[in-house]
Order: sequence, then C-alpha cells, then structure tokens
Amino acid sequence: AQSVTQLGSHVSVSEGALVLLRCNYSSSVPPYLFWYVQYPNQGLQLLLKYTTGATLVKGINGFEAEFKKSETSFHLTKPSAHMSDAAEYFCAVRGSGGSYIPTFGRGTSLIVHP
Amino acid sequence: DAGVIQSPRHEVTEMGQEVTLRCKPISGHDYLFWYRQTMMRGLELLIYFNNNVPIDDSGMPEDRFSAKMPNASFSTLKIQPSEPRDSAVYFCASSWSHSYEQYFGPGTRLTVT
Repeated sequence: AQSVTQLGSHVSVSEGALVLLRCNYSSSVPPYLFWYVQYPNQGLQLLLKYTTGATLVKGINGFEAEFKKSETSFHLTKPSAHMSDAAEYFCAVRGSGGSYIPTFGRGTSLIVHP
Repeated sequence: DAGVIQSPRHEVTEMGQEVTLRCKPISGHDYLFWYRQTMMRGLELLIYFNNNVPIDDSGMPEDRFSAKMPNASFSTLKIQPSEPRDSAVYFCASSWSHSYEQYFGPGTRLTVT
C-alpha cells in the first residue's frame, strides 16, 4: 500500500523568497518519488524524480527535492521564487516493485506575490 | 514527438448526451492512463491499460463510463449518458514500462449542463 500527504493546499510566497512544498509518503516497499507541476489549463509535467542513488535530486526550473527515508519525506524546494513558478504542484509515490501505478497527493497551489 | 494528444480540448454537452474523449499516447509507450480532475476530489485514476489491455478499471465511477484501446496509438473514454456531476477535466497519460514517469496530455475540459 502507498499514500501521499501534501501539507497545505495553498502556499503563498513573495517573489525571491524560498519555496518549500511539503510531501510525506507511506510505502510498503522502497519508493520511487516524483514531483509534477501543472500550469493553468495544462496537463501535469514532471519536475523531478527519485528512484535510487543520490537522495538530493535536482529538477527543472531550479527546483530540487531531498528523499529522507527516516522522515518518509520528499519536500520540494527552490531558493528564490519567480512569478512564473505559480502553479499547482503534485507529489507522487509508487513502489519500486509490484504495482506500477503511482499514487498522487491532492496538490499544493503555489502563489507568488510580487 | 508531439507528446500525448487529447481531443477535444473543450466539450460542452447537455445532460443525457453521449460524450467521447480521445487520446493518442506517445509512440512506443506501453501504458495508458485515464484520470479525472476536480476541485473536490483532486486527481483520480479511472482506468489504465498495458499493451492495449485494460488492467484495472476499479476507478471508473459507474457503468456509464467505458474505455477502449483498440490499438497502441489510440484510446477513447466514453460517457453515456452524461450527467452534470461528470463535469471535470479528463487527462490521458502514457508511460513506458522501463521508465518511471508519466507523460500527461493537455486534458479535455468537460462541461455537462
């Protein structure tokens, strides 16, 4: 079984401020973890993923996430927010074996103020 | 590659009418997924196919919904008859079994009046 919890349905930051979007997961097997971004009126697109190896993963547009097994977390960060980062962000988990199907969180809407 | 293609992008129909949503996955991908997104329920997996075969349709809300994948490059999601509560954005996504991520189409925004 697997599940994802994204803390905060909305996160508001000022342009230039740190972005932190939280994701906690549960998985009965070693997980593969993903962050997707959805811009208005578009489909989801992959930001970054963790499968194996280095626990700090870098993605597109300056985002990165760190897999912390002890905390069952995969939080997404960006040092300096840009207005173009305003979007919906989804964390997802799937097991490294067995079911191929990922489970998505409810999403976090990132609001960036000028 | 053009990515996952969905049509139509927008559909407005009256209650009771049949609606057909279409999807063309990325060439070479062997998994295809249909999702529904609403404010209330978030992103829901409706059904997925592997090599054109339906594997799990437990997310299909009721018998009014059906999905087919007659070949590797085409899938349909049909709602008959449609109801106002079916109003949502429907996404198609595809994936390759040797990769890990899904590629989503732009979605079809369905409004049932």
